[in-house]
Amino acid sequence: GAVVSQHPSRVICKSGTSVKIECRSLDFQATTMFWYRQFPKQSLMLMATSNEGSKATYEQGVEKDKFLINHASLTLSTLTVTSAHPEDSSFYICSARDRLAGSFYEQYFGPGTRLTVT
Amino acid sequence: LAKTTQPISMDSYEGQEVNITCSHNNIATNDYITWYQQFPSQGPRFIIQGYKTKVTNEVASLFIPADRKSSTLSLPRVSLSDTAVYYCLVGDMIGGFKTIFGAGTRLFVKA
Repeated sequence: GAVVSQHPSRVICKSGTSVKIECRSLDFQATTMFWYRQFPKQSLMLMATSNEGSKATYEQGVEKDKFLINHASLTLSTLTVTSAHPEDSSFYICSARDRLAGSFYEQYFGPGTRLTVT
Repeated sequence: LAKTTQPISMDSYEGQEVNITCSHNNIATNDYITWYQQFPSQGPRFIIQGYKTKVTNEVASLFIPADRKSSTLSLPRVSLSDTAVYYCLVGDMIGGFKTIFGAGTRLFVKA
């Protein structure tokens, strides 16, 4: 199946700094990408949906000025956590959706990025 | 979006067949049912997808009754490495949908 990569796999940053996480679809073009966060022993929570070339759509309760999403190309989306605080420490997962010609959507998940804010 | 309900957790022993049932009473005509597996600190991994009746692949089977209000993921002869969280998702695979995860089922396989 198709592969979605994330970089970095884990990052530690100091409180108040910004961190950028990249999500790439390696062998397909993703018209839509999703960003999730996951706290220990909890389910994935959808943060936002991004379509290539347009602004991301954020879920209720997610601060768009804090979690900046850019989907500049069909293979790359970035999530920037601005002015990070310890409560932003979490596991961030992206997924990319590909529309197969004449068929329905396939969705693929990245391996996740562990963010720790000290 | 159709809401899904699954058991919070299940225990099993190696070599047993495990069946995890998901309820989705308000499933829509265009909705497909997809199951994912997630290990700690990894992204979800696709297991199987179906619309109706039965689907089988190399790792699992998916049983969907005629009314499609529930589905059952069947894992034959589980091993310790099948210990994971299993998520059932329902959505419009043709029109596109937001992938919203429910709580999932935490399966623990014992020796």
